[in-house]
Amino acid sequence: DSGVTQTPKHLITATGQRVTLRCSPRSGDLSVYWYQQSLDQGLQFLIQYYNGEERAKGNILERFSAQQFPDLHSELNLSSLELGDSALYFCASSAATGPEKLFFGSGTQLSVL
Amino acid sequence: GQNIDQPTEMTATEGAIVQINCTYQTSGFNGLFWYQQHAGEAPTFLSYNVLDGLEEKGRFSSFLSRSKGYSYLLLKELQMKDSASYLCAVIEYGGSQGNLIFGKGTKLSVKP
Repeated sequence: DSGVTQTPKHLITATGQRVTLRCSPRSGDLSVYWYQQSLDQGLQFLIQYYNGEERAKGNILERFSAQQFPDLHSELNLSSLELGDSALYFCASSAATGPEKLFFGSGTQLSVL
Repeated sequence: GQNIDQPTEMTATEGAIVQINCTYQTSGFNGLFWYQQHAGEAPTFLSYNVLDGLEEKGRFSSFLSRSKGYSYLLLKELQMKDSASYLCAVIEYGGSQGNLIFGKGTKLSVKP
């Protein structure tokens, strides 16, 4: 157990819908990272937050947004969902500002039908 | 930008040794990680190299050559439970921001 909690584990929804994925980092970790993993693309970095502020941005679509709350949990919002958004979404946390050793949650499997 | 290459699949025999290679081209390189990921599960940290040379940790070792943009993960005394994907990842800094960029992974199958 990495100490990073992600909910829900599975999510099935329809195209055009909006979903929210939730992540609680390890106790004491200030950084939260979101990654998307699809079969053909591997792990793609989406966005990082550190202590409530956006720190780095990767290949995140405009339809996607995230935030980190004062209690350090983070949410990833995906809207106007398309079939191609079906993927495994991982949250990871670390203690530092930069991408040192990351601890990954068990992921949310999103299926868009 | 970044480009990380590793073989898509490898097969090895239980008890043997296997070497998984990773080559990378990045700007602002600042370290290389290896992660293990079993199917449908979260990646877990294996090793971190920031200086050239070999880092050994039990049955697993990782090597880095920064001048060649090359790393390998060496797995000894293979066990069936080592069947998994092995992800090479590099820290790339752009300005003040550092991102951990992953390769697509090498799926290792260990046969009896």
